Amino acid sequence: AQSVTQPDIHITVSEGASLELRCNYSYGATPYLFWYVQSPGQGLQLLLKYFSGDTLVQGIKGFEAEFKRSQSSFNLRKPSVHWSDAAEYFCAVGEKTSYDKVIFGPGTSLSVIP
Amino acid sequence: EPEVTQTPSHQVTQMGQEVILRCVPISNHLYFYWYRQILGQKVEFLVSFYNNEISEKSEIFDDQFSVERPDGSNFTLKIRSTKLEDSAMYFCASSPDLSPLHFGNGTRLTVT
Repeated sequence: AQSVTQPDIHITVSEGASLELRCNYSYGATPYLFWYVQSPGQGLQLLLKYFSGDTLVQGIKGFEAEFKRSQSSFNLRKPSVHWSDAAEYFCAVGEKTSYDKVIFGPGTSLSVIP
Repeated sequence: EPEVTQTPSHQVTQMGQEVILRCVPISNHLYFYWYRQILGQKVEFLVSFYNNEISEKSEIFDDQFSVERPDGSNFTLKIRSTKLEDSAMYFCASSPDLSPLHFGNGTRLTVT
């Protein structure tokens, strides 16, 4: 069965510093991969997605993610974090054969200090 | 930009009561989903719906749950007899293709 792990429960970075949030998945074939962000009390907003093609994916709000098949990873990065980036970040994987269902990772909570 | 809207934002109910959570997906979307997030836990898939029928459901989605698209615009999740453990944030999502892209802001269900 497919699964998603996010090793870091909570990360704190300084404003202006770079950010990398880790995501690893377990799936036999090439999955669809997503990153979502959830601000407090808000819904889930799609940051970016990977279906195929270029393994470096650009998203909204200056985020990018890189699919590395050999490491089963899809890490999220941002070169310079803003205070408004403080939120919960979820990595998710969808099955390619039955991609009605998307499985979410446990989330990483990001705090940004001035 | 079109949004998925969910009502109410917060629902409090007593154990054993029936609740209906409502969602208005984006108008040209064809695929509809319900997910839930128990406080402090991960977002869990409940059910997907396409062409007026359930296309996939998780083991969480047992007989006490049902979904309906009664009038071509609303998409509802009904819980027949709520339990304490049903307390969670319930997210509706819709998509024009086969992956959920647009989520609503959720309905927080509190069962007392």
